[in-house]
Amino acid sequence: GEDVEQSLFLSVREGDSSVINCTYTDSSSTYLYWYKQEPGAGLQLLTYIFSNMDMKQDQRLTVLLNKKDKHLSLRIADTQTGDSAIYFCAERRSNSGYALNFGKGTSLLVTP
Amino acid sequence: DAGVIQSPRHEVTEMGQEVTLRCKPISGHNSLFWYRQTMMRGLELLIYFNNNVPIDDSGMPEDRFSAKMPNASFSTLKIQPSEPRDSAVYFCASSHLTGELFFGEGSRLTVL
Repeated sequence: GEDVEQSLFLSVREGDSSVINCTYTDSSSTYLYWYKQEPGAGLQLLTYIFSNMDMKQDQRLTVLLNKKDKHLSLRIADTQTGDSAIYFCAERRSNSGYALNFGKGTSLLVTP
Repeated sequence: DAGVIQSPRHEVTEMGQEVTLRCKPISGHNSLFWYRQTMMRGLELLIYFNNNVPIDDSGMPEDRFSAKMPNASFSTLKIQPSEPRDSAVYFCASSHLTGELFFGEGSRLTVL
């Protein structure tokens, strides 16, 4: 099947901003999501954006959506060491009910 | 409230043995998903159920894999016979009408 694409690794210094990028596959996707996975745990929803929005801000998190390019980004302001985790982009395709199509995840490392 | 509960958390078995993974979704959720996570392929949707009925099983790798949902509070994923390439973390997730997926902690399977 088609892949949701993400870069595999990102390293930032504590206090800097992190930007994680994603390219999704279905221009008709209704919702796009960012999930976080800490070691040995399941995925937890961080935030989501509806496809008719360009931007969503939630405390330190900012999501930008470019539907024309099918590009999604997650910006984490003032990144902390506790933000180190794997971040997954996911799309809800128009023809897949509630099932989500995930990228392979971006491993974020925050160094002191 | 209890989240999605999966068992066992870890399983080590020998090639050819039958493996059964179990999941209890969040009460009131009407959709249940089984995903498999590996380093190479990331998160793959295996199957999902809506109101206990399998909707899409196109991700099930082959006939060795089967999944059931006999009632709204229980699902199993069975592999028979198991092979080393089945080694992965298997996640169960459930959702209600909001579409947000709630994940369990995962079952880490190692087939020797």
